[in-house]
Amino acid sequence: GAGVSQSPSNKVTEKGKDVELRCDPISGHTALYWYRQSLGQGLEFLIYFQGNSAPDKSGLPSDRFSAERTGGSVSTLTIQRTQQEDSAVYLCASSSVGSQPQHFGDGTRLSIL
Amino acid sequence: RKEVEQDPGPFNVPEGATVAFNCTYSNSASQSFFWYRQDCRKEPKLLMSVYSSGNEDGRFTAQLNRASQYISLLIRDSKLSDSATYLCVVNKGGNTPLVFGKGTRLSVIA
Repeated sequence: GAGVSQSPSNKVTEKGKDVELRCDPISGHTALYWYRQSLGQGLEFLIYFQGNSAPDKSGLPSDRFSAERTGGSVSTLTIQRTQQEDSAVYLCASSSVGSQPQHFGDGTRLSIL
Repeated sequence: RKEVEQDPGPFNVPEGATVAFNCTYSNSASQSFFWYRQDCRKEPKLLMSVYSSGNEDGRFTAQLNRASQYISLLIRDSKLSDSATYLCVVNKGGNTPLVFGKGTRLSVIA
């Protein structure tokens, strides 16, 4: 497709389980971002990938969170041993380079029971 | 000082009103500036870029004041469909990631 694709669109899981969220950016976009957004709150930056450079992980809230970007395209965000406070919408965005406007996916709504 | 600061609002205005939002940024090396719009339970979408000379897109006007490090968005003749959260976005310089403000909520009332 032409836009940023995220899957799953919704995920409900039990506390303590691991979850993996997927993002397929726009073809050719070298910059990829992950954010999360709790209800009524602003965007919280998590991690940024730019080409082959080391990712900017400064926004990851704990070592339970990790992300990879394979082959400069698809990215996965993994949350281990999920906690209820991890419940949020996880948004992925991509841009041609870091300084250019981002295009967002529809997000994954994660609910931890 | 936060990297990007916005008045959270909400701004409640009647249809047809003119409303202005301001945003300040802390890094004087910032080079790229944008306004995004986010509807309730939707992803943010680019509204417009902000250029040094100021720019207009229909009812929307964006301005940049580098000396004072602030950006503004003016909406004229507000429509009900303008109700949303408006996000100020700044690039810190070079190939660094964009930084989003927390957003300003606008409600246009009939």
